[in-house]
Amino acid sequence: DQQVKQNSPSLSVQEGRISILNCDYTNSMFDYFLWYKKYPAEGPTFLISISSIKDKNEDGRFTVFLNKSAKHLSLHIVPSQPGDSAVYFCAASKYTGNQFYFGTGTSLTVIP
Amino acid sequence: EAQVTQNPRYLITVTGKKLTVTCSQNMNHEYMSWYRQDPGLGLRQIYYSMNVEVTDKGDVPEGYKVSRKEKRNFPLILESPSPNQTSLYFCASSDRTGRSSNQPQHFGDGTRLSIL
Repeated sequence: DQQVKQNSPSLSVQEGRISILNCDYTNSMFDYFLWYKKYPAEGPTFLISISSIKDKNEDGRFTVFLNKSAKHLSLHIVPSQPGDSAVYFCAASKYTGNQFYFGTGTSLTVIP
Repeated sequence: EAQVTQNPRYLITVTGKKLTVTCSQNMNHEYMSWYRQDPGLGLRQIYYSMNVEVTDKGDVPEGYKVSRKEKRNFPLILESPSPNQTSLYFCASSDRTGRSSNQPQHFGDGTRLSIL
């Protein structure tokens, strides 16, 4: 059973606008969340993370929001750039845990 | 350059022929892990290792073996591959020291296995 879900397989956004990628999880024991970006023929690369003691974490154009009560997190990219076109995976684990659970990915296309 | 190296990158083989996918990292990371990526299923963890001689099952360990005899290497072994193990495989590593036990993982570029 998928414990981390990304319900939108794809998303298209105009360059300069905001991209919002969503992720839901079912396990209330998760308290550490990460977003990875993946280009074709490459491995995923780490983008940004958040622990459950926070509800927001920002790094440049990327912001992750965590809503623990809804078991929902989102990644905001502002402004979106063509180079952001990639597949984005969210992942979850316990902060001191050893296992990671990934979503199915959202393919983002930023249109110039 | 800090990296996780997987070999081979591509392999086509037949059912039942034992194969090993190697993984090596040069970052002195304690934690290493294997994932498989399948359409509609995302990345699923196969096995992970907390340190030398310490390995444990992930979500989908059936049909796989691993070993961790040295810190830098974490090979994935398919003793008797079957077609349902056709997938894209990723090795990853991360540092486990410091104040937070969890650190982001560094991934290799993947190994595409086709089992006929």
